[in-house]
Amino acid sequence: DGGITQSPKYLFRKEGQNVTLSCEQNLNHDAMYWYRQDPGQGLRLIYYSQIVNDFQKGDIAEGYSVSREKKESFPLTVTSAQKNPTAFYLCASSTIPDLNTEAFFGQGTRLTVV
Amino acid sequence: AQTVTQSQPEMSVQEAETVTLSCTYDTSESDYYLFWYKQPPSRQMILVIRQEAYKQQNATENRFSVNFQKAAKSFSLKISDSQLGDAAMYFCAYLYIGANFVFGPGTRLSVLP
Repeated sequence: DGGITQSPKYLFRKEGQNVTLSCEQNLNHDAMYWYRQDPGQGLRLIYYSQIVNDFQKGDIAEGYSVSREKKESFPLTVTSAQKNPTAFYLCASSTIPDLNTEAFFGQGTRLTVV
Repeated sequence: AQTVTQSQPEMSVQEAETVTLSCTYDTSESDYYLFWYKQPPSRQMILVIRQEAYKQQNATENRFSVNFQKAAKSFSLKISDSQLGDAAMYFCAYLYIGANFVFGPGTRLSVLP
């Protein structure tokens, strides 16, 4: 089955630690995205990438980093510089916009600082 | 920068009735795409309906239809014959060619039996 997989589903981080959220897709999509969702709020863009080895900052990139070494993979690292990382994180992928464009989403990762 | 506004944080509808969710957006582009996504309690985002801005005809998908007013930059979602399974957060989204998806803040829809 084609799809987009995020892992882990739940993640706990201690103060001062870096953690990495995994996102893998087998849809052959060029574009991948990371969004943050806080309770009762919409999706805010952290980073996006439209091609391997290239990515752009979104609206709330501070305290986060990404890499795009492979087309299928777009991991997100939440660094210790991110002061309020507790949130729900969604990864998505899409074709480059065309007639059939839509964003496909993973099931999300809930990150909690303990 | 493009923005998407959903002015109704919460809505409710009686089962089998019709409800309309509002969405407005701001853009200077002429060619773009608009979407409605549903996020049920499982938090899995699901595409409900899509509209290409160059198409004048409003998109429909079974019980879901949109009212796209390009000049007014309005993109409302109508759900007919509402079902209990329609209860979810609904997000309006905008996409410009070569850019990224921009989402509104969402509308929480409750369906009353």
